[in-house]
Amino acid sequence: QVQLKESGPGLVAPSQSLSITCTVSGFSLTSYGVHWVRQPPGKGLEWLGVIWAGGSTNYNSALMSRLSISKDNSKSQVFLKMNSLQTDDTAMYYCARARGGSYWYFDVWGAGTTVTVSS
Amino acid sequence: DIQMTQSPASLSASVGETVTITCRASENIYSYLAWYQQKQGKSPQLLVYNAKTLAEGVPSRFSGSGSGTQFSLKINSLQPEDFGSYYCQHHYGTPLTFGAGTKLELK
Repeated sequence: QVQLKESGPGLVAPSQSLSITCTVSGFSLTSYGVHWVRQPPGKGLEWLGVIWAGGSTNYNSALMSRLSISKDNSKSQVFLKMNSLQTDDTAMYYCARARGGSYWYFDVWGAGTTVTVSS
Repeated sequence: DIQMTQSPASLSASVGETVTITCRASENIYSYLAWYQQKQGKSPQLLVYNAKTLAEGVPSRFSGSGSGTQFSLKINSLQPEDFGSYYCQHHYGTPLTFGAGTKLELK
């Protein structure tokens, strides 16, 4: 069964950094890309970036300077790191599998992890 | 960036009705469009990709159409489990962007 599960800190202080781990099962990161998407409370979806099976990445240019995505294939984990968080970074953060391995849309999503930026 | 404009923002309908949600892209995205359904408190689920191809397991009462800049998602004979929010997303280059969503509510 294909699954993705996000784990994060829950609460982050303003100006601090965020680290979220996406642990996948039922498929290999050497065959599939994984995207990150976030959703502020009561609002729409924003694509953050993707790490492809081969390890290359693409980022939303609006966030590129603060964002880093990496992975550990052996542990089936993908990592999202974002610097200099502000209150408008408060959101549900999702990881999602690229359909077919390399497509720019998402066929399986994690349940998400809530991140609140507050002092 | 490609802007995706969805309409209506909200929609009330009854079980058994047919509804249509539209999505307009700010430039030509050919058929690189996906639709997702999101129920309250849940993660989105893929419904349609490449504008008209149903994802695995999606009921045939859902259908997608359009190309270029104008797209639509049609739901025939609404079922109770169809109520929720719907988002379009272009998959034609980066950054990927989504429509603001359509909230489908039970009348």
